[in-house]
Amino acid sequence: AQSVTQLGSHVSVSEGALVLLRCNYSSSVPPYLFWYVQYPNQGLQLLLKYTSAATLVKGINGFEAEFKKSETSFHLTKPSAHMSDAAEYFCAVSENRDDKIIFGKGTRLHILP
Amino acid sequence: EPEVTQTPSHQVTQMGQEVILRCVPISNHLYFYWYRQILGQKVEFLVSFYNNEISEKSEIFDDQFSVERPDGSNFTLKIRSTKLEDSAMYFCASSVSGNQPQHFGDGTRLSIL
Repeated sequence: AQSVTQLGSHVSVSEGALVLLRCNYSSSVPPYLFWYVQYPNQGLQLLLKYTSAATLVKGINGFEAEFKKSETSFHLTKPSAHMSDAAEYFCAVSENRDDKIIFGKGTRLHILP
Repeated sequence: EPEVTQTPSHQVTQMGQEVILRCVPISNHLYFYWYRQILGQKVEFLVSFYNNEISEKSEIFDDQFSVERPDGSNFTLKIRSTKLEDSAMYFCASSVSGNQPQHFGDGTRLSIL
């Protein structure tokens, strides 16, 4: 069965500092992996997706994630945090493009001035 | 950019009443989904729908729940007799078969009194 584990329900970084949100997955088949962002009182917006092409995936708003099969990880990074990055971030896995998505519990990112 | 739209944004209903949540998926999408997010918890898959029938449903999606695509544009989730524990944010999503991932609406917040 697929599952996603996000380490840290809350992460705080200073504005301008590196953002690192951790995600580990479990899947019996080569997975499709996603990061979604949820701003307050809004829906889920796709940040980026991994679909077995390049292992380093670039997304919107300067975010990127690297698929590491040996570590079963798909950590999300951004070199320099901005105040507008404050939101909840969800890592997610799917076995097929059109299959249900299994979400992690989410990590709330706080940006300190 | 085309969007998934959900109405209403907030629905307040008495326990035991029926409620219908409405979604208009992106027009050329063929796969449709409902997810829910109980306050403070992760997003959970409810049901997927393709070719006018349910493709997959989770344990949450019991006999109180039903989905329908009554016309060429709407995709609805009906809860026949609401319970307090049905209070949650309900997200609709759609995708097109191929390389596109699921696109989510902004959600309907359902409050059961």
